[in-house]
Amino acid sequence: KAGVTQTPRYLIKTRGQQVTLSCSPISGHRSVSWYQQTPGQGLQFLFEYFSETQRNKGNFPGRFSGRQFSNSRSEMNVSTLELGDSALYLCASSPGQINQPQHFGDGTRLSIL
Amino acid sequence: AQSVTQPDIHITVSEGASLELRCNYSYGATPYLFWYVQSPGQGLQLLLKYFSGDTLVQGIKGFEAEFKRSQSSFNLRKPSVHWSDAAEYFCAVGLSGTYKYIFGTGTRLKVLA
Repeated sequence: KAGVTQTPRYLIKTRGQQVTLSCSPISGHRSVSWYQQTPGQGLQFLFEYFSETQRNKGNFPGRFSGRQFSNSRSEMNVSTLELGDSALYLCASSPGQINQPQHFGDGTRLSIL
Repeated sequence: AQSVTQPDIHITVSEGASLELRCNYSYGATPYLFWYVQSPGQGLQLLLKYFSGDTLVQGIKGFEAEFKRSQSSFNLRKPSVHWSDAAEYFCAVGLSGTYKYIFGTGTRLKVLA
């Protein structure tokens, strides 16, 4: 069974640009969550989608947005990039119930110059 | 407010020594508990999970964890550490009745040869 796939693995952008990250969940998983990981802050929850609907949202500014498609694949978009957006962005998928663990991709490393 | 605390940011042990990583949570209802491990440049891998029943759960790679409701703890243990166990370990709580997971800030394990 294929795992969670995130593309691209690495991205370099400059301030003010926008970026789109992609996540393909494990087949059959309907929930996709996004996290931002930085050395000082640990894993910060961005948002979660289930069956194309945003079900949960963390405390990030509106520059961070996402969506989920009918095949459960998800994209995350960050507009007007800031230096502080440099981080590892992790995607996790699960069947959708809280008593089921999340399965993580290897992440997209975003560097802002 | 719900929270997960991993008191030890860094832990160093010698190869072959025993290991215990601490995790405390704050949540009024019965939580769903998870431990993950992250190797450099990779996503998080599930080590074990606790939902109900026997409070001592076995996971992969020889790890086990014990749920103690009275202490709101879910500590991870391994009898004999291997050099390949060097990584960062995250404790997480799934909040029953919601679709939210909260992660601790992680404990980085260093193993001395």
